[in-house]
Amino acid sequence: NAGVTQTPKFQVLKTGQSMTLQCAQDMNHNSMYWYRQDPGMGLRLIYYSASEGTTDKGEVPNGYNVSRLNKREFSLRLESAAPSQTSVYFCASRETPLRDQPQHFGDGTRLSIL
Amino acid sequence: QKEVEQDPGPLSVPEGAIVSLNCTYSNSAFQYFMWYRQYSRKGPELLMYTYSSGNKEDGRFTAQVDKSSKYISLFIRDSQPSDSATYLCATPPSGYSTLTFGKGTMLLVSP
Repeated sequence: NAGVTQTPKFQVLKTGQSMTLQCAQDMNHNSMYWYRQDPGMGLRLIYYSASEGTTDKGEVPNGYNVSRLNKREFSLRLESAAPSQTSVYFCASRETPLRDQPQHFGDGTRLSIL
Repeated sequence: QKEVEQDPGPLSVPEGAIVSLNCTYSNSAFQYFMWYRQYSRKGPELLMYTYSSGNKEDGRFTAQVDKSSKYISLFIRDSQPSDSATYLCATPPSGYSTLTFGKGTMLLVSP
């Protein structure tokens, strides 16, 4: 059981380049999330999808777009990468958006923008 | 004010020590509290969750909530080097669709 799989694991981009981070889960979860984690800032929510067909902005959505491709897959796109987007990006999924349901995380994508 | 505050540490202890990790929260309406553990270069994994006030025990780990002071704690007994990780507290804000995380406390347990 793979859980939440993120690709790629590492990436280096130049300023202005575009990139899509991929996330897939095999737990039949309804909700999916994208976070970024920066030193001293903790985990910050970028976008989430409470269920297939819906997406909503989180705390730091500027510069990002998302697509809930199907129930399994939720991608994050950087249209024009900026050095401030250098971070570790985590995807998570959750069975339902109920209060006691935990989120399950992937192992992250480490993104550097030069 | 952030909804969940957590001292970043690092907290260094010798093997076998009792560890206390703490968070404070701002909204008295919060009812569910979770502790995640994150090893270096890995994603967070759920360790424990508790509801409202009181204690919950799981092996060497005890989660405690004090709603009167808006304080949540994670105690680790007989700490091991394998407990070295960053510990994040989290709570679902209103609507429950998302989780709000503290910034995490790094714990180092030396042999």
